[in-house]
Amino acid sequence: KQEVTQIPAALSVPEGENLVLNCSFTDSAIYNLQWFRQDPGKGLTSLLLIQSSQREQTSGRLNASLDKSSGRSTLYIAASQPGDSATYLCAVPMKTSYDKVIFGPGTSLSVIP
Amino acid sequence: DAGVIQSPRHEVTEMGQEVTLRCKPISGHDYLFWYRQTMMRGLELLIYFNNNVPIDDSGMPEDRFSAKMPNASFSTLKIQPSEPRDSAVYFCASSLGLQLFFGSGTQLSVL
Repeated sequence: KQEVTQIPAALSVPEGENLVLNCSFTDSAIYNLQWFRQDPGKGLTSLLLIQSSQREQTSGRLNASLDKSSGRSTLYIAASQPGDSATYLCAVPMKTSYDKVIFGPGTSLSVIP
Repeated sequence: DAGVIQSPRHEVTEMGQEVTLRCKPISGHDYLFWYRQTMMRGLELLIYFNNNVPIDDSGMPEDRFSAKMPNASFSTLKIQPSEPRDSAVYFCASSLGLQLFFGSGTQLSVL
C-alpha cells in the first residue's frame, strides 16, 4: 500500500527566502509524482508533474525533484513571496492502479512580508 | 473551458436527509474522481470512473454513499441518509492522461 508523508507540516518564512518542501512515499515503483497548491477554501491547483523517467521539473520559481530510489521528492521555491502562502500537497499513484492518485497530508506555508 | 464545475458550493442539511453533490468534468477528460477532505484524514479518494465506468469504489466509506456517472459530462455523489461525521469538503477532479484538475469543492455540513 502506498503511503505519502510530508515534512514539515507547517512552515513560516520571511519574504524573499528560498525554501524546500519534502515529500516521501513508501513504494518507489511510481509512474509519476505531482505537486499541488491549495489556497484556503479553494480546490487544488496542479503545479508540477514529474514523470517516473524524469529527475526534475521547473516552472518559474518552482523546481520539483524526484528520487525514486529513496522514495523522495522535494519542491524548491525560490525568492518566496506572500502570494506563495498556501498548502502544498504531493500526490502519487497507487502501485497497482496508476490512475488512482494518493495525496500526502500537505505542508502549510506562510510567507511573512 | 470553465474547468471542473461542482454544485452546490455549500450545503447545510440535517442528519438523516439525502444529499446529492454534482460535478461536471472538463470536456474530453476520461477520468473522474471524487475526493473528501477533512482536517483529521486529509484528502481521501472515494471513487473514480474511467469512461463513465466505476473503476474503484473501495474508498467509499459506507453503503450510505453512492456515485453515478450517467454520461461523460456529469457525475453525482449521493449520501443517504447523511450523518454529522459526513461533514467535509467534497472535491471532484477530472483528468486526461496524468494531470488532475480539481473543482472548487462542496462544503457539506450535516447538523
